[in-house]
Amino acid sequence: SQQGEEDPQALSIQEGENATMNCSYKTSINNLQWYRQNSGRGLVHLILIRSNEREKHSGRLRVTLDTSKKSSSLLITASRAADTASYFCATAHSGNTPLVFGKGTRLSVIA
Amino acid sequence: DAGITQSPRHKVTETGTPVTLRCHQTENHRYMYWYRQDPGHGLRLIHYSYGVKDTDKGEVSDGYSVSRSKTEDFLLTLESATSSQTSVYFCAIRSGTSGSWETQYFGPGTRLLVL
Repeated sequence: SQQGEEDPQALSIQEGENATMNCSYKTSINNLQWYRQNSGRGLVHLILIRSNEREKHSGRLRVTLDTSKKSSSLLITASRAADTASYFCATAHSGNTPLVFGKGTRLSVIA
Repeated sequence: DAGITQSPRHKVTETGTPVTLRCHQTENHRYMYWYRQDPGHGLRLIHYSYGVKDTDKGEVSDGYSVSRSKTEDFLLTLESATSSQTSVYFCAIRSGTSGSWETQYFGPGTRLLVL
């Protein structure tokens, strides 16, 4: 069964606005990762946050992790039309276990 | 793309026929994965490999088998294809050393239609 669950399932915003997506999971994790998928393409890794970290930044991306609430959020600031894609969170229970993916959030950024 | 290719990229087959999908990597990564992606289900793990001849089942392994006789190749076989196996199949490799996650790189996908 899927570990992570993204919220919302779909999000539509105007270019320049910020987009926030959330991920909740059920069991303890070693790390949580976010991926982006453009239509018809493979997934692309965005950022990894380990269980002992609370926040990470990468360019316009900000990821937070709250292990007490078993949740993470992905913030994309100053969104662009090119950010239109599906975004997936994935968790690893340990350093050697496979990633388990959520069902994703579809983000539409309207120019 | 971390040197990952999948073949074929598209395939149409009939129910009951065996189908083999190939994933090839050029960077000598130890871990390789096969996922399927379906609307409403996201990505689900079928099988994975943690070395030559070392494989394990994922969440949706029924009806699938895998083989890894060389580091660079990971084969997924649908023993007798069914319409429920119509899907997009993604191969992935994992970077980082054993016990330490880094990132996962995905291939371009194979679209399989079972009639």
